[in-house]
Amino acid sequence: DAKTTQPTSMDCAEGRAANLPCNHSTISGNEYVYWYRQIHSQGPQYIIHGLKNNETNEMASLIITEDRKSSTLILPHATLRDTAVYYCIVRGYTNAGKSTFGDGTTLTVKP
Amino acid sequence: KAGVTQTPRYLIKTRGQQVTLSCSPISGHRSVSWYQQTPGQGLQFLFEYFSETQRNKGNFPGRFSGRQFSNSRSEMNVSTLELGDSALYLCASSERWDEQYFGPGTRLTVT
Repeated sequence: DAKTTQPTSMDCAEGRAANLPCNHSTISGNEYVYWYRQIHSQGPQYIIHGLKNNETNEMASLIITEDRKSSTLILPHATLRDTAVYYCIVRGYTNAGKSTFGDGTTLTVKP
Repeated sequence: KAGVTQTPRYLIKTRGQQVTLSCSPISGHRSVSWYQQTPGQGLQFLFEYFSETQRNKGNFPGRFSGRQFSNSRSEMNVSTLELGDSALYLCASSERWDEQYFGPGTRLTVT
């Protein structure tokens, strides 16, 4: 699975959009980008995933660049409860059950 | 659907003992993966089972083992516990090769 690079930490004002970047320059054609978050030692929570098209669900939007070497997770209106560690993972279906977690980005939403 | 459940939630063991942790996946999910999370090493993949067969394995010693039953429930076992095995053990299930859903984890403390 491709390696990902994320900033260590980010701050965001409550109510504003939080844009979390992820670099995955070695991604291969059959690998998906997944985003999870973990709130204070709870189990990680699935947020969204995509292959090459932009995706949106009730939690967030995922923007993947055309060359697929990077992506951005967007939380449109961040709340204090969105404070968490966000992990970007790249995974192919051949390693379906094996996610390689990096250090993630600690997002702090401030009032 | 009920989420992934893990038992017990907390456990204290002594060095040299063995421990068995249990995971019940979301109904219909056939893949179960196990992860170890420590402050120093982060989230690390242990192994994955799919339809009672180990499909992927991480870089952990043979003291760590697992199995999956015909109803997809899974157990992991750690023998000859060491202090360094103190961690949050997380289980995740998925339907096929798509997004994983994590349980709340079992907090193991080895004294």
